[in-house]
Amino acid sequence: NAGVTQTPKFQVLKTGQSMTLQCAQDMNHEYMSWYRQDPGMGLRLIHYSVGAGITDQGEVPNGYNVSRSTTEDFPLRLLSAAPSQTSVYFCASSYTSTGGTEAFFGQGTRLTVV
Amino acid sequence: GESVGLHLPTLSVQEGDNSIINCAYSNSASDYFIWYKQESGKGPQFIIDIRSNMDKRQGQRVTVLLNKTVKHLSLQIAATQPGDSAVYFCAENIDDKIIFGKGTRLHILP
Repeated sequence: NAGVTQTPKFQVLKTGQSMTLQCAQDMNHEYMSWYRQDPGMGLRLIHYSVGAGITDQGEVPNGYNVSRSTTEDFPLRLLSAAPSQTSVYFCASSYTSTGGTEAFFGQGTRLTVV
Repeated sequence: GESVGLHLPTLSVQEGDNSIINCAYSNSASDYFIWYKQESGKGPQFIIDIRSNMDKRQGQRVTVLLNKTVKHLSLQIAATQPGDSAVYFCAENIDDKIIFGKGTRLHILP
């Protein structure tokens, strides 16, 4: 099915470990973004990309890196995991950031750092 | 602090009544606003959006109103159904950053 695919769905990391959360979309969307959602909170923007080769920081970028080598993929890297990065991570995509078409979210990756 | 926020964290509405969820924003440069619905354990789902050059936009059972004078956004859901039970977020575009508010939980009373 078309949409935004995130992997893995669940992950447990030890403090200091690194990992990459994968995000892929097959809708040829230019705009992609990563959010984290803590319990009872809204979504906070980590990084975003307006097209292949272009990335920029959101509200809470520290401790995370991204790259956008293709239109389809937008991986999020945790450089050295910390307990404060325990959260649910969502990837989203749309044609642009200014509407006209629907934005789609993945089902999320639930990350626990111990 | 956040530039997008919501007045009420929880809203309880009788099934069949209309629901109104409010949102305030503080950034006058915001040019695009979106409402999302998030059900438990799922990612946010797009409901409706509106550009800053519009005051009102209607979808299926939903209407978004934008009052730029007081920087206020609302989502109206007509004839609320049990399936509308969820957390609703407003979000705004600031220089290509889509920024979310904290959310309002909509609870449907039988």
